[in-house]
Amino acid sequence: AQKVTQAQTEISVVEKEDVTLDCVYETRDTTYYLFWYKQPPSGELVFLIRRNSFDEQNEISGRYSWNFQKSTSSFNFTITASQVVDSAVYFCALSEAFTGANSKLTFGKGITLSVRP
Amino acid sequence: DAGVTQSPTHLIKTRGQHVTLRCSPISGHKSVSWYQQVLGQGPQFIFQYYEKEERGRGNFPDRFSARQFPNYSSELNVNALLLGDSALYLCASSSGQFSYEQYFGPGTRLTVT
Repeated sequence: AQKVTQAQTEISVVEKEDVTLDCVYETRDTTYYLFWYKQPPSGELVFLIRRNSFDEQNEISGRYSWNFQKSTSSFNFTITASQVVDSAVYFCALSEAFTGANSKLTFGKGITLSVRP
Repeated sequence: DAGVTQSPTHLIKTRGQHVTLRCSPISGHKSVSWYQQVLGQGPQFIFQYYEKEERGRGNFPDRFSARQFPNYSSELNVNALLLGDSALYLCASSSGQFSYEQYFGPGTRLTVT
């Protein structure tokens, strides 16, 4: 069975600090996809990134970067120079490709990030 | 292009009643998935429909059912509502059946009293 663990529940930082959100996953599949979503107070989940299990190259998008390490089953997310607008709940999710006939996402419990001015 | 739309935004129902939630996917997307998000938790998968056929069902009782229409919009039905059904119900659409980026709607907040 697939599982996603986000051990951090709440993180509070001061604006301009760097912050890393941890994600550890479990799966028996060799082919899978990992995702990060942001949920602002409005409630809508905003897609941030998708990585497949064969691509361990780190990715950077502006102030966001992701570190995927299969050896530790981790897919961590770093926000550089955090801003107040980054305050939200962040979810890591896993989808096992080609298992069954669907693309069900299994989510972690989320990390509440508060960025103080 | 419009994103995923859901209606209604908020809903208050009494225990034992029935509810229907609606979702319109992004134009061109053929897959719709439903998730339940209880306060303080991550979303839980309920159903996926692709090309009008059920492709997956999560661990939810038979009181939950869904369908997808020829225009790829979808309905989620919940019968005999329980207090524990109070949650944010999220609809997500994607272009394909497997592990594509899923784009979520704003959700329907259901409160059962």
